[in-house]
Amino acid sequence: KNEVEQSPQNLTAQEGEFITINCSYSVGISALHWLQQHPGGGIVSLFMLSSGKKKHGRLIATINIQEKHSSLHITASHPRDSAVYICAADTDKLIFGTGTRLQVFP
Amino acid sequence: KAGVTQTPRYLIKTRGQQVTLSCSPISGHRSVSWYQQTPGQGLQFLFEYFSETQRNKGNFPGRFSGRQFSNSRSEMNVSTLELGDSALYLCASSLLPGSEQYFGPGTRLTVT
Repeated sequence: KNEVEQSPQNLTAQEGEFITINCSYSVGISALHWLQQHPGGGIVSLFMLSSGKKKHGRLIATINIQEKHSSLHITASHPRDSAVYICAADTDKLIFGTGTRLQVFP
Repeated sequence: KAGVTQTPRYLIKTRGQQVTLSCSPISGHRSVSWYQQTPGQGLQFLFEYFSETQRNKGNFPGRFSGRQFSNSRSEMNVSTLELGDSALYLCASSLLPGSEQYFGPGTRLTVT
């Protein structure tokens, strides 16, 4: 069993839909990272959180330390949100999930 | 402020050769981490350098090595290349270990 599990692996949505991506981990962490990777490879760090909830624009990330679970929500999704979203557990080194490929259609 | 830069962006090498990749962190950032991304294994941590010292290493063979210079620039080296080393190699810099990481565009290495 992987130390960091993400679901779903693939996700398609219509523009405007509310999207949730889940991440579960089995290791002790100092923080949980959410990353976005566009075609071509570039990775952008979206959130780094160790408790509670963070919001940036239409993106919201939550974490439940007791349940070892985090979620990334995208409100009012847009085609430009199409990308691979990756969660990573920070255990003094990053352990990555396998990613969720999101496609948002107009 | 300039972002993380990596050179070269693309590289083709032959089995058995060695390769050196370079990473220049954001100005003021002292920690540099390296990652390998392949379709089969996904993203995997290679190593992290801080103040010219390797502070952490992933589960990779000794053919993979790195170093960090006094200006925080970092290089990684892969010797005796194998076909399986074909991957996107990403570096990320942060102010300090454990702080938010900023990723470079990556170096795509193809081994033939």
